[in-house]
Amino acid sequence: DVKVTQSSRYLVKRTGEKVFLECVQDMDHENMFWYRQDPGLGLRLIYFSYDVKMKEKGDIPEGYSVSREKKERFSLILESASTNQTSMYLCASSSGRLYNEQFFGPGTRLTVL
Amino acid sequence: SQQGEEDPQALSIQEGENATMNCSYKTSINNLQWYRQNSGRGLVHLILIRSNEREKHSGRLRVTLDTSKKSSSLLITASRAADTASYFCATPGNSGNTPLVFGKGTRLSVIA
Repeated sequence: DVKVTQSSRYLVKRTGEKVFLECVQDMDHENMFWYRQDPGLGLRLIYFSYDVKMKEKGDIPEGYSVSREKKERFSLILESASTNQTSMYLCASSSGRLYNEQFFGPGTRLTVL
Repeated sequence: SQQGEEDPQALSIQEGENATMNCSYKTSINNLQWYRQNSGRGLVHLILIRSNEREKHSGRLRVTLDTSKKSSSLLITASRAADTASYFCATPGNSGNTPLVFGKGTRLSVIA
């Protein structure tokens, strides 16, 4: 079974803190994605990566950065967390074309106080 | 970027009834996918239908695709309380090799 894991299910941080969200997949997938999900707005793509050290901006990259040093790991970084970044963060991976079937992690619910 | 739009936003039915959700999209696609999300969890892929297919089945799920109307429907037959979840359609971005774009979902409640 494909497994995508995320470092935390729930996270509480303070405004201005640097936050790292980690995602690991065990299926040797080339593609990895970070989304945020908010009520009424659905899933919005923050960043994606199609290879090690490669990254592309999604629809809402402002306030975020990413790192992909190893194929299995894709990190989302909030340089200085703000209250409007309180959200559910979902990581996903896929192989082949970027529009192929995606496998999702369980999500991290981040609260920024 | 293109976004599929699900309809209705919310649906409440009795156990044993069929549930139908619809998705409309804007531009040509090579495939359309449906995902399910249980409350507070990640999404799970249900089914993929290609642009040259009109109908696809998987267990109690039936998906149709009408490319002339740019729409798809997901039918869940003989629903169960465990089918309570949000259902999303996803389509490729506007052109070339681009990531999926997800709709806002239909929230299905199946009452026992």
